[in-house]
This record gives sequence, C-alpha cells and structure tokens, in this order.
Amino acid sequence: AQSVTQLGSHVSVSEGALVLLRCNYSSSVPPYLFWYVQYPNQGLQLLLKYTSAATLVKGINGFEAEFKKSETSFHLTKPSAHMSDAAEYFCAVIDTGGFKTIFGAGTRLFVKA
Amino acid sequence: EAQVTQNPRYLITVTGKKLTVTCSQNMNHEYMSWYRQDPGLGLRQIYYSMNVEVTDKGDVPEGYKVSRKEKRNFPLILESPSPNQTSLYFCASRGGTETDTQYFGPGTRLTVL
Repeated sequence: AQSVTQLGSHVSVSEGALVLLRCNYSSSVPPYLFWYVQYPNQGLQLLLKYTSAATLVKGINGFEAEFKKSETSFHLTKPSAHMSDAAEYFCAVIDTGGFKTIFGAGTRLFVKA
Repeated sequence: EAQVTQNPRYLITVTGKKLTVTCSQNMNHEYMSWYRQDPGLGLRQIYYSMNVEVTDKGDVPEGYKVSRKEKRNFPLILESPSPNQTSLYFCASRGGTETDTQYFGPGTRLTVL
C-alpha cells in the first residue's frame, strides 16, 4: 500500500528565512503527488501538484516542490517565509487506481517575526 | 462561485443518535469524497464516489454510510455514532481525472458524547 511520510510535525522559521517541508512517499509506480495548505478553521487548498511532467513544480504563494524519484521525495520549499505562510501543510499521493488519496500526517509551519 | 458546502459546520450529539452531514458541490464534478481529520493522523479517506450510484470504501469506512443519488450531493451518514467518531470531517470534489484539482469544503466539527 502506498504511504506518505512528512518529517517533522512542527517547523518554525523566521520571517524571510527559507521554508523547507519534507515529504517522502512509497510507491511502486510513478505517483501523482500533491501539497495542500490548511489555514486555521478552513478546508484544504491545493498549493501544487506533480503529474509526471516537469520535476520542479511551481505553485501558488511562491511555493515550489521538486520530485526526486531516486530519493522518493517531494519536498516543499519557499525562499522567503512570510507571516501569512503560517498554516498546516499536507503532502498527499493518489493511489495507483486513481480513486484514493493518501495524506501525510501534516506539518504545522510557524513563522516568527 | 465554485464551492463545496457542508452542513452543519458544528455538531454535538450523543452516542447512538443517527445523524447526517450534507455535502453539495456546484462544479458538476464526477468524483466526491469524505475525509476525517484527527491530530497527528492527517486526513484519512472514509468513502468516495466516482459518479452517481457508484461509491466505494476508503481507508476508514467502519461506522459510516454514504449515498450518491444526485451528482451534486454526497451525504455522510452515521447510523449509530460513537465517541471515537468525534473528529473534523471534510467533503471534497474533483473532476473525473485523478490529477484534477480536489476542492474541499469548510469542514464539519463533530463531537459525540
């Protein structure tokens, strides 16, 4: 069965610093991968997705992620954190059949002034 | 405005009292799904539906029922709620392709006493 592991349940960065949120997946075939953001008391919103085209994917709000098959990773980065980036971030993979979505446990990002 | 709506947003009930959480989307999406979100576990899929009258189990279907009689609606039914079903529930919808963007509702916070 496919799975997603997010390293670090909490990450804290200073405003203006690099944001790096880690995601590793297990899959026997090339997966479809997603990053979602959840702001307090809201539903999830898609940040970006990998669909086997370009390995470097750019998303909304200045975020990007790189698919690395050799490392089975899909880490999320942003060069300069903003206070408004404080939220919970989820990495997810679509299963082989295309019907189930498997989410990681989530990483809460804190941004310090 | 394209959206997924859920009702109610908050619900406190007692063990064994049947309840229904409604979900509706206005994007003519084929695929709809229910998730529950618990701290440290991320989101876990309960049921999904590929189209009208076509539903299947996700990873945590026990204690839940769904139906898809109309394309826009996908209610979640708890026939006999128990305290371990206390959670935050999200409905989501997307088009028929697995790489289509999944849109989430605002969530329903359920407490079962």
